[in-house]
Amino acid sequence: EAGVAQSPRYKIIEKRQSVAFWCNPISGHATLYWYQQILGQGPKLLIQFQNNGVVDDSQLPKDRFSAERLKGVDSTLKIQPAKLEDSAVYLCASSGGGGYGYTFGSGTRLTVV
Amino acid sequence: GDSVTQMEGPVTLSEEAFLTINCTYTATGYPSLFWYVQYPGEGLQLLLKATKADDKGSNKGFEATYRKETTSFHLEKGSVQVSDSAVYFCALSDQGSGYALNFGKGTSLLVTP
Repeated sequence: EAGVAQSPRYKIIEKRQSVAFWCNPISGHATLYWYQQILGQGPKLLIQFQNNGVVDDSQLPKDRFSAERLKGVDSTLKIQPAKLEDSAVYLCASSGGGGYGYTFGSGTRLTVV
Repeated sequence: GDSVTQMEGPVTLSEEAFLTINCTYTATGYPSLFWYVQYPGEGLQLLLKATKADDKGSNKGFEATYRKETTSFHLEKGSVQVSDSAVYFCALSDQGSGYALNFGKGTSLLVTP
């Protein structure tokens, strides 16, 4: 079975620029998560989708971050404008629901300079 | 809200030593508990999990037992290898949080020959 696909793998941008990340979950997985992992810390949930609806976005900095999953399949996460403290690995994960079958993508490493 | 507390690292051990990484949790419901591992330069991988009290998860020589009375899920291995050098994350998920994973800060393990 194909894994969770993410792109790009790496991105370097200047502060105040915008950036977008893409995620394609495992086929059939209704639940999709975006996590932010800052160096030396555990992943922090940014947003959770169930199909194309948002379940939890309480930790998403909505003044600069946005995410969508329009057709309930792939998803994009955008940052505009980026700050230095947004430098992190952005991980996408999907699951079949009910707390089972999590699979993580390889992540996108963002460096904001 | 739910939270996970891990022992701070880094932990440095000689090959064949016994490993314990402590993890305690706070949850209002009945969470599932996980250990994830992140090898250098790689993504998050599920190491083991337990879904109810007294369950023991095991994989690759690692074990952890879900202890409801002490709210703990300590990771153990009887004889570590150099290849076990990685960062280990304890995590929980429960229905109240839509089964999103809530991670600890991670414990870095270095095993020397």
